[in-house]
Amino acid sequence: LAKTTQPISMDSYEGQEVNITCSHNNIATNDYITWYQQFPSQGPRFIIQGYKTKVTNEVASLFIPADRKSSTLSLPRVSLSDTAVYYCLVVLSSNTGKLIFGQGTTLQVKP
Amino acid sequence: DTAVSQTPKYLVTQMGNDKSIKCEQNLGHDTMYWYKQDSKKFLKIMFSYNNKELIINETVPNRFSPKSPDKAHLNLHINSLELGDSAVYFCASSPTAGGAYNEQFFGPGTRLTVL
Repeated sequence: LAKTTQPISMDSYEGQEVNITCSHNNIATNDYITWYQQFPSQGPRFIIQGYKTKVTNEVASLFIPADRKSSTLSLPRVSLSDTAVYYCLVVLSSNTGKLIFGQGTTLQVKP
Repeated sequence: DTAVSQTPKYLVTQMGNDKSIKCEQNLGHDTMYWYKQDSKKFLKIMFSYNNKELIINETVPNRFSPKSPDKAHLNLHINSLELGDSAVYFCASSPTAGGAYNEQFFGPGTRLTVL
């Protein structure tokens, strides 16, 4: 499975757009990019998943360039409640459900 | 409605004891998982069951034994607890065992403290 690299921490202010970039240089043809969010004292929660180009849902957008060696999670107009750890994962479409979590990016949103 | 529930939420026990953590999901999913999150916040998969059949068994001491009485339940029994077993244990479920867009739903976690 492809290894992912993302910043350990980021700070932002309420109302700003936050972009978290993840590097996955060894991504394979059948791999998908998935992001999970974990609030303190809670289990991770699925945010978004994509294969290429752009995916958008009610929570975030995911931008994936043509070479797919990186991806960017975009959170529009963050609020204090978006303070959490964000995990970038590369998931093989034919896998047995095994998710490999890295250290994630701790996002701190300030007032 | 709670999708994935775990009991207990907190568990404090002495070294050498045997304890169990229970997990139930009411999502109708076929696959359930156990993850361990240590003090450094690294989240690592331990086991996975698909329709009561073990499909993922990571390098976990054999003191840890999962049991799935039916596909809605996956319990974790730990024998002879050690200090290093202290962690938060998360149960999760997903519709199937793999494939694209196979979102995993996590429970609230069980914080195990071994004294």
